[in-house]
Amino acid sequence: KAGVTQTPRYLIKTRGQQVTLSCSPISGHRSVSWYQQTPGQGLQFLFEYFSETQRNKGNFPGRFSGRQFSNSRSEMNVSTLELGDSALYLCASNSLPGTNEKLFFGSGTQLSVL
Amino acid sequence: DQQVKQNSPSLSVQEGRISILNCDYTNSMFDYFLWYKKYPAEGPTFLISISSIKDKNEDGRFTVFLNKSAKHLSLHIVPSQPGDSAVYFCAASDNQGGKLIFGQGTELSVKP
Repeated sequence: KAGVTQTPRYLIKTRGQQVTLSCSPISGHRSVSWYQQTPGQGLQFLFEYFSETQRNKGNFPGRFSGRQFSNSRSEMNVSTLELGDSALYLCASNSLPGTNEKLFFGSGTQLSVL
Repeated sequence: DQQVKQNSPSLSVQEGRISILNCDYTNSMFDYFLWYKKYPAEGPTFLISISSIKDKNEDGRFTVFLNKSAKHLSLHIVPSQPGDSAVYFCAASDNQGGKLIFGQGTELSVKP
């Protein structure tokens, strides 16, 4: 069974641009969550999607948005990039949210904003 | 407001000895706790978990202890091996689906 796949692995953008990151969950998993990892901050929850609906949202500005498609694949978008958005963005999936089932993470997209 | 805290950014241990990683939390609604391990350039991988109705869970060399009254959990690795060198994240859930609250991580270095 293939794991969680994130593309691209690395991305370099400049301030003011926008970026779209992609995540394909494990086959059969319908819940996708996104996290931002920065040095010293751990992983910060961005949002979670289940059956194409956003079920939960973290404390990030509206520049951060996401969506989920009918095949459970998810995209995350950041508009008007700022230097502080430089981070590793991780996507995770699980089969049934709300059951304390563990999350499976992808390798992440390393975003650098110059 | 950091609801899950790992106060030690790094820990160095000799191979064969015990590694103890600590984690504190503030939210009494958390009912499930997990430890993840992360190598550079890879996503976190699940290590071990514990429900709030238990105080200990063991899986091979890894044991997690939960002290609910102190809002504290710890991960014990015995014996430690060089391959255990990684960043360890503590995480907590209040059963709201895919949302986990993570600590800042502790970088464990196991020296041969």
